Parts: sequence; C-alpha cells; structure tokens
Amino acid sequence: AQSVAQPEDQVNVAEGNPLTVKCTYSVSGNPYLFWYVQYPNRGLQFLLKYITGDNLVKGSYGFEAEFNKSQTSFHLKKPSALVSDSALYFCAVRVENTDKLIFGTGTRLQVFP
Amino acid sequence: DAGVIQSPRHEVTEMGQEVTLRCKPISGHNSLFWYRQTMMRGLELLIYFNNNVPIDDSGMPEDRFSAKMPNASFSTLKIQPSEPRDSAVYFCASSLLKGIQYFGAGTRLSVL
Repeated sequence: AQSVAQPEDQVNVAEGNPLTVKCTYSVSGNPYLFWYVQYPNRGLQFLLKYITGDNLVKGSYGFEAEFNKSQTSFHLKKPSALVSDSALYFCAVRVENTDKLIFGTGTRLQVFP
Repeated sequence: DAGVIQSPRHEVTEMGQEVTLRCKPISGHNSLFWYRQTMMRGLELLIYFNNNVPIDDSGMPEDRFSAKMPNASFSTLKIQPSEPRDSAVYFCASSLLKGIQYFGAGTRLSVL
C-alpha cells in the first residue's frame, strides 16, 4: 500500500538560509509524488511533482525537490528561504492506478527574519 | 478560469441541522474530490468522482454523510444530521486525467 511520511511537524529556518522539508514514501510500483503548500485560510496549492525523469524537480516559487529511489525520499528544498515561505507543506503520493492522493501529515515551515 | 469554487466559505450551524456544502470544479476537469481537514486527523479524502460517478467513498465517515455530482460542473456534500465532531474545513478539488489536483479555498464548518 502507498504511504508517505513527513517526520517533522515543524521546521524553523532563518531567512536567507537553505531549507529542507523531508518526505519519505512507500509504494508498490512507480512513485508519483507531489508537494503542495497551504497558506493560512487557503486551500492547498500545487508546488511540484515527480513522475519520471530527472531526480531533481523544479517547481513554483523557487522550490525544488530531490527524488532518491534508494532512500525512498522526496525532500523539498529551497536555496534561500523567505519569510513569505512560512506555511504548511504537504507531501503526497498517488495510489497506483487511481486518481487518489495520499497526503502526509504536513510540516509547518517557519522562516524567521 | 476562476479555479475551484466552494460555497459557503463559512458555515455555523447547530447540532442536528442539515448542512450542504457546494463545489464547482474547474471547467473541463473530469475528477472531483472531497477532503476534510482537522487538527487531529489531518487531511482525509472523503470521496471522489470520475466523470460524475462516485469511484471511492471509503473515506466517508458514516451514513450521515452523502455526496452527489449531478453534472460535470457541480457537486454537493451533505451532512444530515450534523454533529459537533463534524466541525472541520472541507475542501473540494478537481483534476484532469490523473493530473494535478487543484483545491478550492474550503468551507469552514462549525457545528455547535
């Protein structure tokens, strides 16, 4: 069965520093992985996805994610954090042969000025 | 496109009342999803439709919850009777052909 885990409830980083939000996955076939961001009182917004191809995926707002098959990870990264990046971040995996996404529990990113 | 539109944005009701949440998906999308978000349980998929047909309703909590999609541009999620534990933010999302899911702004439901 497919699942994702986000081991950190919260990540704190200073503005200008690089940030990483961790995600590990478990799938029975090829992984289809996603990152979404949720700002306060808003719906989830798509950031990026991995289907196949390059292990480094670039997405919106300067975010990127690195797919690592051997470690079954799909960590979200950004070289230089902004205060405006503070939000709730969700990793998700698509259930094979369906439209369903299984979301992680979310990681709250706090960027301090 | 205006994106996924949900109404109302906020709903406050009393226990035992019927609640109806509404969703208009992005035009042309063929899959529609209803999620519930709470602090305790996170983001849960309740039900999803493909081409207006319910495909998976295994996340619907109990018989008090029902969802319909009478046409490609409209869906409802109904709770009858509502209970305080139903208080949550309910999201609707739509997608095209196993593509990216686009979420609405959500309906914040409070059942007193």
